[in-house]
Amino acid sequence: NAGVTQTPKFQVLKTGQSMTLQCAQDMNHEYMSWYRQDPGMGLRLIHYSVGAGITDQGEVPNGYNVSRSTTEDFPLRLLSAAPSQTSVYFCASNRDRDVTGELFFGEGSRLTVL
Amino acid sequence: AQKITQTQPGMFVQEKEAVTLDCTYDTSDQSYGLFWYKQPSSGEMIFLIYQGSYDEQNATEGRYSLNFQKARKSANLVISASQLGDSAMYFCAMRETHTGGFKTIFGAGTRLFVKA
Repeated sequence: NAGVTQTPKFQVLKTGQSMTLQCAQDMNHEYMSWYRQDPGMGLRLIHYSVGAGITDQGEVPNGYNVSRSTTEDFPLRLLSAAPSQTSVYFCASNRDRDVTGELFFGEGSRLTVL
Repeated sequence: AQKITQTQPGMFVQEKEAVTLDCTYDTSDQSYGLFWYKQPSSGEMIFLIYQGSYDEQNATEGRYSLNFQKARKSANLVISASQLGDSAMYFCAMRETHTGGFKTIFGAGTRLFVKA
């Protein structure tokens, strides 16, 4: 009963380093998304995908890349980390191809960029 | 432009009393979904309640109800008989169509403190 799994849970990077946050879901959901959570700003949508091979930008896409080669996986790449990317990152999936259906969240990944 | 507005950064409520958390939204879509999520101090996101834009009845889930006023574009969460375990961050969210897909956006949240 894994649901949405994110790795790593914690990561410290130096400015300019690259890394990938992994996200996998075992619920056969077509819709997956990445959010960042900063104090006082709620969750902001970075990128989302409505199926394998299809991705689109959210509210704050700059500095992040995504790809969706399989239904299960939706990795988030930071190509050159900046201190402004220090945040908690959540991956989420949704079973429905319409406006209904809640998001299923991973446990979050806390990223610190020094 | 802010599409989900939660105007109460923090709220206090006495245990066993009811509390209303405010949420207003902005969309030009006719079909959209409104959600509330709870985030306790442990950090996980917990889905509470859903309201569809075409639903005529206000949604209810146990002690949670959603006061949906479509003309005013508001979707307030009402928690009845507050419990100490209700102390958490609460986020209002809206799911709407977007360039061939759907996206869910969140408000900034309201932190609820339940007093014994």
